[in-house]
Amino acid sequence: EVQLLESGGGLVQPGGSLRLSCAASGFTFSSYAMSWVRQAPGKGLEWVSSINSGAGSTYYADSVRGRFTISRDNSKNTLYLQMNSLRAEDTAVYYCAKPGAETIFGLVIPRYYFDFWGQGTLVTVSS
Amino acid sequence: EIVLTQSPGTLSLSPGERATLSCRASQSVSSSYLAWYQQKPGQAPRLLIYGASSRATGIPDRFSGSGSGTDFTLTISRLEPEDFAVYYCQQYGSSSPDFGGGTKVEIK
Repeated sequence: EVQLLESGGGLVQPGGSLRLSCAASGFTFSSYAMSWVRQAPGKGLEWVSSINSGAGSTYYADSVRGRFTISRDNSKNTLYLQMNSLRAEDTAVYYCAKPGAETIFGLVIPRYYFDFWGQGTLVTVSS
Repeated sequence: EIVLTQSPGTLSLSPGERATLSCRASQSVSSSYLAWYQQKPGQAPRLLIYGASSRATGIPDRFSGSGSGTDFTLTISRLEPEDFAVYYCQQYGSSSPDFGGGTKVEIK
């Protein structure tokens, strides 16, 4: 059974930093891309960032590029999101999400719909 | 960026009725890379449909997706009490995934 467990959320002042973690189990973590998706209170879903399986490629939404850094430790089956220079508009529930994939000629190709989600961790940016 | 517009914003229906939800893209979604999710209050989203029409594992066959290009539809053939929720579409054919604003399906 795929499980994604986020941690690290909390209250932080504007301009501050926070690091989120996502512990993954139930699948071969090192074979799959991973992503973060957020949801501001009462609002819709917003893709934040993705990283490929080997951590060689990272992708960011324009709203967080230059402030957030996605990374992973395949030896620990853990995904991270380092968030710096936080703003009030970053207040949201942050979900760790596993993208889907196609296997073509033995290669796992990520497809960025999200077939498994964690329960989310709340980040509140406020003074 | 591809802008996804979902309509209606709210759909008021009774259990047993058919629900038809629309998702329109500002430009063509390549390879029909369009997904649908269901979200209930306090819960993470759940994948229903990917590739515009493929049901995710464990999703009942009363949920179906259709469409291509810029116009996509999620149909719930007969609403069950547990289907009242918010539904989001999402495209993943461009460099950054984009979500629609959601349609709330509420009990009439």
